Amino acid sequence: AQSVTQLDSQVPVFEEAPVELRCNYSSSVSVYLFWYVQYPNQGLQLLLKYLSGSTLVKGINGFEAEFNKSQTSFHLRKPSVHISDTAEYFCAVSDPRGAQKLVFGQGTRLTINP
Amino acid sequence: DAGVIQSPRHEVTEMGQEVTLRCKPISGHDYLFWYRQTMMRGLELLIYFNNNVPIDDSGMPEDRFSAKMPNASFSTLKIQPSEPRDSAVYFCASSYDGPYGYTFGSGTRLTVV
Repeated sequence: AQSVTQLDSQVPVFEEAPVELRCNYSSSVSVYLFWYVQYPNQGLQLLLKYLSGSTLVKGINGFEAEFNKSQTSFHLRKPSVHISDTAEYFCAVSDPRGAQKLVFGQGTRLTINP
Repeated sequence: DAGVIQSPRHEVTEMGQEVTLRCKPISGHDYLFWYRQTMMRGLELLIYFNNNVPIDDSGMPEDRFSAKMPNASFSTLKIQPSEPRDSAVYFCASSYDGPYGYTFGSGTRLTVV
């Protein structure tokens, strides 16, 4: 069975500072990996995904993530955050043999301070 | 496309009452998912359908919960009878066949008093 661990439940940062949100997964097979963002009172939106190929994946709103197979990690990064990035971020994993079923982490609440 | 549409956005009901949540997936999507989100348990997959057929309902908490998908453009999640511990945000999501990620609806915030 697959699982996802988001190592930080909350991450406060100052505006224009860089940020990294950590995600580790557990799986005995190859995986697909996703990051979603949830703004207050909204559903989740897909930020980016890793299926295969280049381990550095670029997504929307200036976010990127790096797949590291040896460390079973898929950390999300942004070099300079804005107030509008305040949201909850979810890492998710799926098995390529059943790619439709996503397993989500517990989420990381990113708070941007002016 | 209008995206995944859920109704109602908010529902407040009394314990013991029947609650029906509705979802219209994106046209052409083969898969439909129902998730529940709470502070304590995060996002939980309740059930998902492929081509209107339930594939995995192992996440449905108990017999009080049921879900149907009578056609490709409509699904319901019913709770009968409702209990205060069912209070949560319920999300519907849909996707194409393949690793494309989901499109989520805006959710239904259910409060059972």
